[in-house]
Amino acid sequence: DGGITQSPKYLFRKEGQNVTLSCEQNLNHDAMYWYRQDPGQGLRLIYYSQIVNDFQKGDIAEGYSVSREKKESFPLTVTSAQKNPTAFYLCASNTGQTSYGYTFGSGTRLTVV
Amino acid sequence: AQSVAQPEDQVNVAEGNPLTVKCTYSVSGNPYLFWYVQYPNRGLQFLLKYITGDNLVKGSYGFEAEFNKSQTSFHLKKPSALVSDSALYFCAVRDGGYQKVTFGTGTKLQVIP
Repeated sequence: DGGITQSPKYLFRKEGQNVTLSCEQNLNHDAMYWYRQDPGQGLRLIYYSQIVNDFQKGDIAEGYSVSREKKESFPLTVTSAQKNPTAFYLCASNTGQTSYGYTFGSGTRLTVV
Repeated sequence: AQSVAQPEDQVNVAEGNPLTVKCTYSVSGNPYLFWYVQYPNRGLQFLLKYITGDNLVKGSYGFEAEFNKSQTSFHLKKPSALVSDSALYFCAVRDGGYQKVTFGTGTKLQVIP
């Protein structure tokens, strides 16, 4: 079945450490997105990519970085510059057409220890 | 700028009763509107969308939503609630000419047996 796979499901980060969250899709979707979810704040866009080798900052990109070297993959790195990284991170994709909804992965819960 | 509001943090309804989860939006162009559902520690699942046409849109699991242009609303409804409908519901909007999707803060639906 086609879908989006996020790994790991749970991740623990020490202060000052960079961590990378994986997102892989086999839907042949052009566009991919990273969202951060905090209680009571809904989903906030971190980065998005509409095509391979190109990506754009979202609303809260500071302290995060991404790459899009392959159509199927859109990893997110949470750097030590992100002061409050504890959150639930969601990856999504779609065809790139504005009338289509998103397909979401099952998320990664990141906790700073 | 586009925005979406979900005025209720939580909605409680008795099993078998009709349910409504409210959503209002603001866009400069034609709105593309979406509803998603999220179960605990999971990603979001697409329920339904309004792009154009009939104001009453039918979606997955017996849900429907009514688009009201004059009131800029897109309320989610279901004639008879199930306990299994208990989850977090997100409304989302995209301006037809704008790539990014804006999500509401979510409404927790609790269906009481």
